[in-house]
Amino acid sequence: SAVISQKPSRDICQRGTSLTIQCQVDSQVTMMFWYRQQPGQSLTLIATANQGSEATYESGFVIDKFPISRPNLTFSTLTVSNMSPEDSSIYLCSVERDGYEQYFGPGTRLTVT
Amino acid sequence: KNEVEQSPQNLTAQEGEFITINCSYSVGISALHWLQQHPGGGIVSLFMLSSGKKKHGRLIATINIQEKHSSLHITASHPRDSAVYICAVYSPGNQFYFGTGTSLTVIP
Repeated sequence: SAVISQKPSRDICQRGTSLTIQCQVDSQVTMMFWYRQQPGQSLTLIATANQGSEATYESGFVIDKFPISRPNLTFSTLTVSNMSPEDSSIYLCSVERDGYEQYFGPGTRLTVT
Repeated sequence: KNEVEQSPQNLTAQEGEFITINCSYSVGISALHWLQQHPGGGIVSLFMLSSGKKKHGRLIATINIQEKHSSLHITASHPRDSAVYICAVYSPGNQFYFGTGTSLTVIP
């Protein structure tokens, strides 16, 4: 299994500011994923973050808006830049281990006012 | 049309009832996950399936690869089972496709 923590667990931010979300895993993993879940919606993959290379972004998501760092095999950050109320969502990180097993962090609930 | 369709979208049950949530998918599959999301937002992976059937406590998950269909069953449902249940298909292209979720409320 894998234990994942995220910081912050929730935040209320002003329009136009940026927030960096941290994801820490208790063991080394190759692939880490960042998801967004907008109110009432299911999960949408933002990007895949592999250590030592640039993140791979899904259609509709760009690095300028969601820069990602992956400095080592246990840690990643996602920044939500120049926020607007439409960015209000739950942001989750997950890791893949043991084949296709997925483990999710507890999520960061972001409200943009 | 979504690649992963779940039904029903919302489900209310009396405590003790047997519950079934269905998932149909149209993409190729490496594995199918059933996820549980509680009101706080945290997600727990309940099952990962690539064939057959798995059981964990009161939860049973089945998959029929030929019919591209999976079901999640909850026996003797309890109010603490109230959550959103999400079906997710992991494709051979290393991509996840998520259903929109089934919101379950179990009434005491």
